Amino acid sequence: SAVISQKPSRDICQRGTSLTIQCQVDSQVTMMFWYRQQPGQSLTLIATANQGSEATYESGFVIDKFPISRPNLTFSTLTVSNMSPEDSSIYLCSVSVDETQYFGPGTRLLVL
Amino acid sequence: GEDVEQSLFLSVREGDSSVINCTYTDSSSTYLYWYKQEPGAGLQLLTYIFSNMDMKQDQRLTVLLNKKDKHLSLRIADTQTGDSAIYFCAEKTGGGNKLTFGTGTQLKVEL
Repeated sequence: SAVISQKPSRDICQRGTSLTIQCQVDSQVTMMFWYRQQPGQSLTLIATANQGSEATYESGFVIDKFPISRPNLTFSTLTVSNMSPEDSSIYLCSVSVDETQYFGPGTRLLVL
Repeated sequence: GEDVEQSLFLSVREGDSSVINCTYTDSSSTYLYWYKQEPGAGLQLLTYIFSNMDMKQDQRLTVLLNKKDKHLSLRIADTQTGDSAIYFCAEKTGGGNKLTFGTGTQLKVEL
């Protein structure tokens, strides 16, 4: 298994600002992912964070809005840029270990 | 295409069995998962099943997979109030590690 921590756990931000969310894993993993869970909704994959190369974004998500860093095999960041109230969501980091995926506790973001 | 559906709500009495259902459309699914999300928390992996299996049991949890009908179910025996949560099924498709999640089923356990 994997133990994943995220910072911050929650935040309230003003529109137009940016927030960087950190994800730390207790072991080296190849695959890390960022998901978004909008209020009352299911999870949607934003991107796959690749170590040593650019992230791979899913349809509807772009690098300018959600830049991602992956400096090593245990850490990644997701930035939510130029925020609007529509960005209010839970953002979850996930890692793939063998055939399973484990999730962090999530970052609850409210944009006013 | 990828589309995973679940019923929105399920209410059961404490001590009864709960059955949460999930249907998916992608026949190339390799693994299927059940996650639990309690209020204000992240996702907890409950169990998963490989697509060439039709049943997996893990303590109070039983997963049934009907690949022909693309139907997955999670049975929780002796449901307790602590089982109240949202349950998501998810499938891993294609050759990669991307998960497609269902819409989630909110389970309410009543005394």
